[in-house]
Amino acid sequence: DGGITQSPKYLFRKEGQNVTLSCEQNLNHDAMYWYRQDPGQGLRLIYYSQIVNDFQKGDIAEGYSVSREKKESFPLTVTSAQKNPTAFYLCASEGYGYTFGSGTRLTVV
Amino acid sequence: KQEVTQIPAALSVPEGENLVLNCSFTDSAIYNLQWFRQDPGKGLTSLLLIQSSQREQTSGRLNASLDKSSGRSTLYIAASQPGDSATYLCAVQINTGKLIFGQGTTLQVKP
Repeated sequence: DGGITQSPKYLFRKEGQNVTLSCEQNLNHDAMYWYRQDPGQGLRLIYYSQIVNDFQKGDIAEGYSVSREKKESFPLTVTSAQKNPTAFYLCASEGYGYTFGSGTRLTVV
Repeated sequence: KQEVTQIPAALSVPEGENLVLNCSFTDSAIYNLQWFRQDPGKGLTSLLLIQSSQREQTSGRLNASLDKSSGRSTLYIAASQPGDSATYLCAVQINTGKLIFGQGTTLQVKP
């Protein structure tokens, strides 16, 4: 079945640590997106990529980094510069409308 | 700046009732509008996509309408069931490809 796979489902980060969230799609979509979801704030765009080897900052890119070396993969790194990383992270790709993954819940310990 | 608003924020209805969820947006220059469902702790499931040239889309008990000129969309759920309990999100796609989301309507259908 075609879709988007996010891993891990749960992730714990220590203070000062960088962590990477995985997003893989087999839908052959060019465009991919990372959103962050916080209670009461809805979904906010972190980064997006419309083609391999190119990506743009979204509305809340500070403290995050991405790469797009392959069409199928769009990993998100949460760096130590992100002061409030605890949230639910959603990856999506765009074909006929958006398709979302099942999310990664990141918690700072 | 495009803003999306969903009313009401929460809704509780008895099983079998027909209901309408509302979504409004401030800029009519959209590419399409998409309705999603989100269960607690889960990702988003696409329900219906309405392209900017369309007026409505239907899937089973769901019907979504779009009125670009007034900046409004509605999601109609017929004969609601307890399994319909979830948060429903409306999102508009703008010219850069980005989706702008509303805050969602949390629906509870009581047996």
